[in-house]
Amino acid sequence: QVQLKESGPGLVQPSRTLSLTCTVSGFSLTSYGVSWVRQPPGKGLEWIAAIWSGGSTDYNSALKSRLSISRDTSKSQVLLKMNSLQTEDTAMYFCARFSYPGITTFDYWGQGVMVTVSS
Amino acid sequence: DVVMTQTPVSLPVSLGGQASISCRSSQSLVHSNGNTYLHWYLQKPGQSPQLLIYRVSNRFSGVPDRFSGSGSGTDFTLKISRVEPEDLGDYYCLQSTHFPWTFGGGTKLELK
Repeated sequence: QVQLKESGPGLVQPSRTLSLTCTVSGFSLTSYGVSWVRQPPGKGLEWIAAIWSGGSTDYNSALKSRLSISRDTSKSQVLLKMNSLQTEDTAMYFCARFSYPGITTFDYWGQGVMVTVSS
Repeated sequence: DVVMTQTPVSLPVSLGGQASISCRSSQSLVHSNGNTYLHWYLQKPGQSPQLLIYRVSNRFSGVPDRFSGSGSGTDFTLKISRVEPEDLGDYYCLQSTHFPWTFGGGTKLELK
């Protein structure tokens, strides 16, 4: 069945770089795209970045200068890097699958990984 | 960026009753290809969001027909009939017509 699982450090110091991994199973990264979405504690959802099935990428313009999304299809992994972390980057980070055409939105999500930015 | 405004922020309901959530966008969500990429999610406490409705009115696999979506252009509605305990949580609309993709602020469906 379709599964996505996020992994990464729980605690990151301010100004450092965050690296998150989304490991997928039950589908191919060359057939579906994967996005990252985050949610600060007690707040709403924010789309961060996407990597399409063809390998092209899109970023939230507000965060673009700090972001990099990539993939390793041989490992079924999508990687997100965010630099210059600040306390406001503290959030639950989710990865989610999408397809265009088809459902055209996020149909399966990972359980999320909590990231706290603190010294 | 397209701003998605959800109302109400909180919606008290009785079990077995009906709920209606509004989502309005700051610009039309009709894509140049003619499709409207407006979707609805439910996030239960401690869980990741789950897809309910995609492209305005299409129920995702396994979603009960108590959930229905409607609307066009900039004005969209999610309706839940015969509310059940498992329907409680936070509802979000999402637009993926324009980059960056943006979510509404959320509506908390809770017991009256």
